[in-house]
Amino acid sequence: AQSVTQPDIHITVSEGASLELRCNYSYGATPYLFWYVQSPGQGLQLLLKYFSGDTLVQGIKGFEAEFKRSQSSFNLRKPSVHWSDAAEYFCAVGAAGYSTLTFGKGTMLLVSP
Amino acid sequence: ETGVTQSPTHLIKTRGQQVTLRCSSQSGHNTVSWYQQALGQGPQFIFQYYREEENGRGNFPPRFSGLQFPNYSSELNVNALELDDSALYLCASSSKQGVEETQYFGPGTRLLVL
Repeated sequence: AQSVTQPDIHITVSEGASLELRCNYSYGATPYLFWYVQSPGQGLQLLLKYFSGDTLVQGIKGFEAEFKRSQSSFNLRKPSVHWSDAAEYFCAVGAAGYSTLTFGKGTMLLVSP
Repeated sequence: ETGVTQSPTHLIKTRGQQVTLRCSSQSGHNTVSWYQQALGQGPQFIFQYYREEENGRGNFPPRFSGLQFPNYSSELNVNALELDDSALYLCASSSKQGVEETQYFGPGTRLLVL
């Protein structure tokens, strides 16, 4: 069965500082990996996705993520955080031929002035 | 191009009642998935509909049922509501054209069961 672990429930980052949100997955085959962001009371917005190929993927809003198969990780990064990035971030895993996405429990990002 | 829309935005029901939630998929998409997001949790997969047929189901009881219509819009029905059904219900649409499927989410319907 697929599973996703986001070890950090909350992270506080100063505005302008760099950010890394951790995601580890468990899946027997080649995973498809996603990061979504959710603002309070809102749905999920896709930040970026990995299917195959280049393991460093670029997304919207200046985010990037790197797939490391040896570490079963897909960490999300941003070089300089803006106050508007404060939200909850979800990592998800899927696979070819399967309908479901399995989500982690999310990491809440707080941005301090 | 319109995104995924859901209605209603909020709903209050009492235990034992039935509820129907609606979802319109993004233009060009033929697949709709439903997720339940309890407070403080990540979304959990309920089921997916593709070409009007159920195409996968998560660990939810049969009182959770759905439909997909010829225009690819979808309904989620929940019978005999329980207090634990209180959650944000998210609909996602996607296109099954090839193996690389990306799900795009709507704003959700927040259901409160009293």
